[in-house]
Amino acid sequence: QVQLVQSVAEVKRPGASVKVPCKTSGYTFTGHQIHWVRQAPGQGLEWMGWITPNTGGTDYARKFQGRVTMTADTSMNTAYMELNRLRSDDTAVYFCARSSSPQWEPGNYFDFWGQGTLVTVSS
Amino acid sequence: DIQMTQSPSSLSASVGDRVTISCRASQSITIHQSIGSYLNWYQQKPGKAPRLLIYAASTLQSGVPSRFSGSGSGTDFTLTISGLQPEDFATYYCQHSYNTPLAFGGGTKVEIK
Repeated sequence: QVQLVQSVAEVKRPGASVKVPCKTSGYTFTGHQIHWVRQAPGQGLEWMGWITPNTGGTDYARKFQGRVTMTADTSMNTAYMELNRLRSDDTAVYFCARSSSPQWEPGNYFDFWGQGTLVTVSS
Repeated sequence: DIQMTQSPSSLSASVGDRVTISCRASQSITIHQSIGSYLNWYQQKPGKAPRLLIYAASTLQSGVPSRFSGSGSGTDFTLTISGLQPEDFATYYCQHSYNTPLAFGGGTKVEIK
C-alpha cells in the first residue's frame, strides 16, 4: 500500500535550518510529484512547492523562494524539504503529499499524505 | 495569484443533517465544461493529515462515502454532506489546482450541535 512516512518532530533555534524527509513506499517514486504543505498551529493549509522526482524540477511559492530547497533521492524513494534561516513563525506541521500526476499539470490533486512533521522554532 | 474563500468558517450541525460548504475562487478555475474544474476538497481531523474527498469539483475519491458530493463551476463551488455522520465532524478545505501557486481555502470547521 502507498505510504509516505515522515519524522515526528524537530526543534530548531531561530536562524538554523531544518531538512524534513518524506520516505515513500508502495508505488513508483518517479511516477508522481511530491508537494509540501505546511500548517501553523490552529491555522489553515499553506502550499510551499513541488518537486518532480523524475527530473528534479521544482517550483516554489514566492513566499519561500530563496529559503526553501526541495530534493528527491530516487535510490531511497525519499523526498526532502529544507528550510533555511528559520523564524519563530515557521513553527508548523510540515506535510508531504503525493500528487496524482508525474509532472506539473492543472487538475492534479493530493491523493496520499505523510503524517506530518512538527517543526518548532524557539530560542 | 488565485485566492480561495470558504464560507462559513464554522458551523454547528446534528447527526443526520444536510450540510453545505461554499468555496469561491478569485477567478474562474473551469477550463471548459467538458474538461472540468480544477477544484479539490479535503477533510482534516485534529492531529491528522488531510484526506482527499473530491477532485475535479465533483469526482468522488475511491473509498469516500457517497454522502459526500461536490458541485459548481467557474468561481463558485459547493461541498455537500447528505446525512451527517459522527465521523464527519472535522475541518474541510477546498483547494484549486488551476496553476501555481496552488492555494487552499481558509477551512470550514463542522462541529456538533
